[in-house]
Amino acid sequence: LAKTTQPISMDSYEGQEVNITCSHNNIATNDYITWYQQFPSQGPRFIIQGYKTKVTNEVASLFIPADRKSSTLSLPRVSLSDTAVYYCLVGDWSGTASKLTFGTGTRLQVTL
Amino acid sequence: DTEVTQTPKHLVMGMTNKKSLKCEQHMGHRAMYWYKQKAKKPPELMFVYSYEKLSINESVPSRFSPECPNSSLLNLHLHALQPEDSALYLCASSLREGSYEQYFGPGTRLTVT
Repeated sequence: LAKTTQPISMDSYEGQEVNITCSHNNIATNDYITWYQQFPSQGPRFIIQGYKTKVTNEVASLFIPADRKSSTLSLPRVSLSDTAVYYCLVGDWSGTASKLTFGTGTRLQVTL
Repeated sequence: DTEVTQTPKHLVMGMTNKKSLKCEQHMGHRAMYWYKQKAKKPPELMFVYSYEKLSINESVPSRFSPECPNSSLLNLHLHALQPEDSALYLCASSLREGSYEQYFGPGTRLTVT
């Protein structure tokens, strides 16, 4: 299982773009990169997944360089409601034995 | 309906009590999960059910007993818990076992006194 490393916490002001980087040096060929968001007192919520280059949806963008040893979750123009913990997960979810293994996550605090 | 519901929201129980946590989804998902989350820690997988059969037990103590009566319901029966079992218990579901996209409920905040 590829180990992930993320900053423990980040602070941002409302309206700024926030980039959270995740390091996964021993990512395997079949591994995908998945990000979850967890608000206080709620269950985690799937945000985005990617394999390489760039993926964008209505919530965020995910940038993955060619060597795939890291990835960056980009949140455009954050608001107070984006204050949450963001988890980077790496794994091969093609088989039934796959699990979600959450790392320590990045605690994002957005202020005015 | 993309919601996973859990009851109760909060539960306080003594170490000799027996209680149950309930989870329900109506998305047609065939995999359901129990996670445990301590304060300021990531969720940890406890059990996985696939097509109503227990697929994974992550070496969870027997005082936690899961049950999947049908494809929409998942229970977690609790008996003789310890204070260190106090945590947020999260239920999740996905289309199939092993899917990267799981839908989580809001959790049950359990306090063992």
